[in-house]
Order: sequence, then C-alpha cells, then structure tokens
Amino acid sequence: QAQLVQSGAEVKKPGASVKVSCEASGYTFTNYGVSWVRQAPGQGLEWMGWINAYNGHTDYAQKFQGRVTMTRDKDTRTAYMELRSLRSGDTAVYYCARYSPGWGFDPWGQGTLVTVSS
Amino acid sequence: EIVLTQSPGTLSLSPGERATLACRASQSVDSTYLGWYQQKPGQAPRLLIYGASNRATGIPDRFSGSGSGTDFTLTISRLESEDFAVYYCQQYGDSPYTFGQGTKVEIK
Repeated sequence: QAQLVQSGAEVKKPGASVKVSCEASGYTFTNYGVSWVRQAPGQGLEWMGWINAYNGHTDYAQKFQGRVTMTRDKDTRTAYMELRSLRSGDTAVYYCARYSPGWGFDPWGQGTLVTVSS
Repeated sequence: EIVLTQSPGTLSLSPGERATLACRASQSVDSTYLGWYQQKPGQAPRLLIYGASNRATGIPDRFSGSGSGTDFTLTISRLESEDFAVYYCQQYGDSPYTFGQGTKVEIK
C-alpha cells in the first residue's frame, strides 16, 4: 500500500534553512502530487503548498512564497520541502501527504519535527 | 481564500452516542473537493471522507459525510473509544487548500 516516510527531526537556529524529505513507496510516484502541511505545537493544520510529481509544477501558499521551495526526484521517488530564513514561529511538525484532486490528502507521512531555537 | 469554520470547538459525548460535526465555508465549495480528517495525539492526520460523502479505504461505515455549497457535516453514528480525536475539514478545490480549525471530540 502507499506509504510516505519522512526524514528525522531537525533543530535549527533562527535565520537558517531546513530541508525535509519524503520518500514514497507502494504507488506510481508520478501519478500524484505531494503536498506539505505543518502543525505548530497545540495548533491546527496549515497547508503550505504542493508539487506535481510528474512535471514538477508547484503551488505555494502566499504566506510562504519566497521562503519555501518544493522539489522532487523521480528516480528516488522522493519529495523535498526547503524552508529558509527560519524563525521561532516556524517550529512545527511538517507533514507530507500524497495529493490527488480526486480524494485529497492520503496517505500522510509520519511527520518531521522542526525546532527553531537560538 | 476560502475560510472554513468548524463547530463546535469541542464536543463532549459518551461512547455509543451520535456525533455531528459542522464545517461552514466562507464561499461555496465544490463538494467534489471537500474532505474530513481524523487526528489522534502524536499521530499524523488520516483521511476519513473525500468528495464530501465518500468514505476512504478502510473507514468504518459509522462515519458519514454530507452537505453541499457552504455547509458540510461529518456524522459518527455511534462513538467508539477509538473515535475520540480531533477532526478537520478541508477544501482542496481552490488554492490555497485550507483547513478548518478542528473539532475535538472528547469523552464526557
């Protein structure tokens, strides 16, 4: 069955960048998109954007425009999300999820905790 | 941006009771692109319902979704112990793909 496995937790200083990976298995990677969602401690879900795994087209939430880059490697079936100029408010669990307009976000990766602290 | 407002914020119920969760959109949403997710503490969200009323694979039939336009509902017919969690609605038809703020279903 489809599965997404994310990279491990990260601790970063303010101003640094973080790159989270999301490896897909159990389905044809290029038939779907990969979306990224974050969740600050004790808060709700916030959509960051998505990448079309077939052609690499991206769509970012305006809040993250200029600070986020989503890429993918078709050979390794891996999607990446890089967030730059980190600040304390970026401390959150970052999730990737397989995206299809037909049924939304399913499945989800296990999440990657990114902590931004001086 | 489509804003989704979920109510109530918290629902206190006993096992076996019926839960009704609401999701109201700031503008009309194509029901094809309305989903519901369940999240338990320390876990990733899980898709329950897509296209407003279609159960995802493996989801028990006590979960049902309905609605159209700006008003959508998730119903859990008889709560079981594993259903106590936070539930989010989401629209994924118009970018940005927004989530509601969540409804927590807790044990009374």
